[in-house]
Amino acid sequence: DAGVTQSPTHLIKTRGQQVTLRCSPKSGHDTVSWYQQALGQGPQFIFQYYEEEERQRGNFPDRFSGHQFPNYSSELNVNALLLGDSALYLCASSRPGQGAEEQYFGPGTRLTVT
Amino acid sequence: EDQVTQSPEALRLQEGESSSLNCSYTVSGLRGLFWYRQDPGKGPEFLFTLYSAGEEKEKERLKATLTKKESFLHITAPKPEDSATYLCAVSGKTSYDKVIFGPGTSLSVIP
Repeated sequence: DAGVTQSPTHLIKTRGQQVTLRCSPKSGHDTVSWYQQALGQGPQFIFQYYEEEERQRGNFPDRFSGHQFPNYSSELNVNALLLGDSALYLCASSRPGQGAEEQYFGPGTRLTVT
Repeated sequence: EDQVTQSPEALRLQEGESSSLNCSYTVSGLRGLFWYRQDPGKGPEFLFTLYSAGEEKEKERLKATLTKKESFLHITAPKPEDSATYLCAVSGKTSYDKVIFGPGTSLSVIP
């Protein structure tokens, strides 16, 4: 059983560009959350998707947007990239009804903005 | 505002030397407190969920406990493979699935 998968593994972008990160949840999971983790810090909650809707959002600007597809996979889009957006972006999934409890994380996408 | 702090920032232990990591939290009605382990270059790995003060959970050499303001992760007779960053996180009854993580404690266990 494959766990949470994310693509790409690494990405280098230039300031002002746009980026799309992808996540496939663990089999049987229907809820996907996205986190940003700067070096040496804990993950920060960006938003959560359930039934193709954004259900909860953290303190991130509208430049951060997402989508969930009928097969529960998800995308994170970031527009007008800033140097400060450089971080590890983590996707986490959970079982129906589990919500924030017992989330399974993917390996992350390392985004570098130059 | 919901907040999580962890101490110490870093901890070096000799193999077999037991110790505890601290997590202090402020949340509007605790829904759950979570402990995760994160190895370098990887995503966090779920360890425990605690729901109410007085609750304890164990897994191998790890035991997590919860009070109304703090949680402790006790590590008994650690081994080098326990070296990792340990993250504490909370969700509140009003913020529901918006999980707030602490900065983590980096644990090194020396053979």
